Order: sequence, then structure tokens, then C-alpha cells
Amino acid sequence: GQNIDQPTEMTATEGAIVQINCTYQTSGFNGLFWYQQHAGEAPTFLSYNVLDGLEEKGRFSSFLSRSKGYSYLLLKELQMKDSASYLCAVRDSTDSWGKLQFGAGTQVVVTP
Amino acid sequence: DGGITQSPKYLFRKEGQNVTLSCEQNLNHDAMYWYRQDPGQGLRLIYYSQIVNDFQKGDIAEGYSVSREKKESFPLTVTSAQKNPTAFYLCASKETGTGNTIYFGEGSWLTVV
Repeated sequence: GQNIDQPTEMTATEGAIVQINCTYQTSGFNGLFWYQQHAGEAPTFLSYNVLDGLEEKGRFSSFLSRSKGYSYLLLKELQMKDSASYLCAVRDSTDSWGKLQFGAGTQVVVTP
Repeated sequence: DGGITQSPKYLFRKEGQNVTLSCEQNLNHDAMYWYRQDPGQGLRLIYYSQIVNDFQKGDIAEGYSVSREKKESFPLTVTSAQKNPTAFYLCASKETGTGNTIYFGEGSWLTVV
């Protein structure tokens, strides 16, 4: 099984940077995903890490350390539309079905 | 356009009734999933299917049933045995291969009245 922990809520100002941490404990590991979910909507894919290091996509970056069971999502130049819940999800390497286990999500509130 | 279509978007169920949520995808994905989300909580896996006519229970399958008669379709029935069915239900699909991303439909809100 897996235990995935991320902070419940974070608040930041428009234009600032926010870092959302995610720690996980798994019996195996085969990738970590970040999703963005606006209230009442479906999650949308942001990033995927399977090897250690930083993946950058525009204003969003995601980092992974497999030895530490740790990832973070970095949101730069925050915009009001970035106010959403950010979900960390892990794929267990023992799982041949490829299903994901999700954390509870981090609600990011961007203020003017 | 390709995608995952869920219907209905909003559904009200009376106590003791079974209801079925539809999920259709035209992405030619092999794997399909149903997740449940409660307010302020993460997604929990109900059922998943890798191929037609085969499916597996997830973490919270009690009170739910599914079928996979066609590759494109994976309907979820919420039965009267599910004691607390009010939630947001998300269908998802994925290409074969563990490195591929799961994509979600728009979700269905189910409320018991």
C-alpha cells in the first residue's frame, strides 16, 4: 500500500512562488504525477516524474527524490487562475494495472 | 474531438434506488477507472478495468458494480447497498503501459435525497 502526504492548504500572493511538497511511502515506485483540480471540475494532468531530478514546464516545475520518497511542485509567477487544488499521485511498481493512488490534495489560494 | 464523456453531470437518487453513471471514451484506451471524491479529500479508486469483460475491485468497491462489455464503455452502478453515495464521481482512462498518464472525464455529481 501507499501513504501520500501533502499540506492541506497554502496561500500566496499573485506573482509570487509557491512550493507544494509531497511525501510518499510505497512498497514499490513507478512514477509520481501532479494534477491540478479546480473546484467542481476534473483533475488535469500537470507533470510526471519517474527519475530523480527536476522537470520544468513553463511556470510549473516538479522535482523528485526517490531515495527520500519526496516530490515538490513549484508554481512560479502565480496568477489568480492558479487557485486550485493540487493532487500528488503515485504509481506502485508492483501494480501491473497502472492505477494511481492519490493524496488528499493541497488547496492553493492566490490573493491579489 | 477525442475524450472521455461522463453522464449525467448531476444526478439525484432516492434512498434505496440503484443509479448508473455512464462513461464513454473514444481515445482507444485499454484501461479505464472509476474514482470517488468527497469534499476536501483525495480520489479513492472504486473499480478498474484493463480489458473488455474483465475488471478488478479498487479500494472502496463495496456497494458498487461495473461492466466492461465494450472497450469504449465502463458504466458504474451505485447500488442501494452503498450507504453514503453522495460524492463526485470521476471516470478515467489510460493507454497501455505503466508510463502513461491517466486522463479524467468531467465528473458526475451524485446526491441522495
